[in-house]
Amino acid sequence: AQSVTQLDSHVSVSEGTPVLLRCNYSSSYSPSLFWYVQHPNKGLQLLLKYTSAATLVKGINGFEAEFKKSETSFHLTKPSAHMSDAAEYFCVVSKNSGGSNYKLTFGKGTLLTVNP
Amino acid sequence: GAVVSQHPSRVICKSGTSVKIECRSLDFQATTMFWYRQFPKQSLMLMATSNEGSKATYEQGVEKDKFLINHASLTLSTLTVTSAHPEDSSFYICSASGTADYEQYFGPGTRLTVT
Repeated sequence: AQSVTQLDSHVSVSEGTPVLLRCNYSSSYSPSLFWYVQHPNKGLQLLLKYTSAATLVKGINGFEAEFKKSETSFHLTKPSAHMSDAAEYFCVVSKNSGGSNYKLTFGKGTLLTVNP
Repeated sequence: GAVVSQHPSRVICKSGTSVKIECRSLDFQATTMFWYRQFPKQSLMLMATSNEGSKATYEQGVEKDKFLINHASLTLSTLTVTSAHPEDSSFYICSASGTADYEQYFGPGTRLTVT
């Protein structure tokens, strides 16, 4: 079984300050991990993914995440928040390399608010 | 590349009627498509997985006779909500994956409102 826990349902930051969105996972297998962003009433956009290569993963829009097996964590960070970063963020775990028949398990999401 | 579309983007229907939602992969062949449901301010819940030419595999608790899924071609899957009720109102999102990288590419979603 696999699961993912997003530790904060809501994070509020000021524009220009760092962003930290926390995620812990549980998996019986070597997991693949993803972060997706969802803007209001829109579909999901992939920010970045970890698939057992480098543990520090760089994604789009300046986001990055570090896979820490000892802590079973995959926290998402960005050095400086922009107003356009305000959205819902989902941490996702997959059993393998995201193969077509492997399911994605979504966290409950973290709403990021960016204050001017 | 890897664009997935959904149609319609929003639909309102009366209770008791059926509504069909289409999911298309525009620039790749989708061997597998997934249907998710998202309630307001909640996460995505997988409803079913469909492989082209095969019957869909439904998640526990999802009524297969109510949510009919067809995946007749490598670029199109449809979800039909039969005899819709207000509690079926939700945001339905599909994703598609092919054999190039097995990554799931998500559609923009369909907002269903049943009155």
